[in-house]
Amino acid sequence: GDSVTQMEGPVTLSEEAFLTINCTYTATGYPSLFWYVQYPGEGLQLLLKATKADDKGSNKGFEATYRKETTSFHLEKGSVQVSDSAVYFCALHPPHGNKLVFGAGTILRVKS
Amino acid sequence: SAVISQKPSRDICQRGTSLTIQCQVDSQVTMMFWYRQQPGQSLTLIATANQGSEATYESGFVIDKFPISRPNLTFSTLTVSNMSPEDSSIYLCSARGSTDTQYFGPGTRLTVL
Repeated sequence: GDSVTQMEGPVTLSEEAFLTINCTYTATGYPSLFWYVQYPGEGLQLLLKATKADDKGSNKGFEATYRKETTSFHLEKGSVQVSDSAVYFCALHPPHGNKLVFGAGTILRVKS
Repeated sequence: SAVISQKPSRDICQRGTSLTIQCQVDSQVTMMFWYRQQPGQSLTLIATANQGSEATYESGFVIDKFPISRPNLTFSTLTVSNMSPEDSSIYLCSARGSTDTQYFGPGTRLTVL
C-alpha cells in the first residue's frame, strides 16, 4: 500500500543553518505531496504542496521538489530560525483515494 | 483554503464519561475527517464524516466508541464515549474541498483521569 518514510528526529540545528528533512514515498500512480508543520500546542498547518513531477512547492523560505525518479519530496530551508522549531510531517494524497497518508513526523529544534 | 475551528480546545475528563467535540469550517467542504494524535506520534485517521449518513470508520475504531455526526457541509461532531486514560490524545478535525488539499483544525487536547 501507499506509505511515507521520513528521516528520524529530532534534528537539532543552530540558527541560520541549512535544513534538509528527507521524505520518500511509495505509491501507485502520481500522488500529490504535502508538507505540514505542527508548532508546539497547535494543530497542523499546510506548509507547501506539489501535485506533479518536478513541481516545486515553496512557502516561508521552505521548499521541496517532487522527484518522481527518486520518489522523494525532501524539505529544505537555507537558513533556519528558532521560530521554525516544530514537528514536520510529510504526506501524500493518492490519485485514486480519499485519505492522506502521513509520515511519522520529524522534530526540528533550532538553537539560538 | 478552509479555516477550521474546534471546541473545546482542551478538556480534562473523568473516566467513564463522554465528551463531544465540535468542528466548524468556514466554507462548504466535500469531505471532513477526524484524526487522533497520541503524544509524540503521527496522526491516525478515526473516520470520514459523511454528510447525512453514517461515518466511515477505519480499522480499530467503532461507532459505539466514537459516534460522529455531520448534519451539513460545514459542521461535524465527534464524541469520545465511556472514556478511559488511554483516550488521552489530541483529536483533530480536518476538511477537504474540491482540491486534494486537506486543512486541519487546531485540535482538542483531551486528558482523561
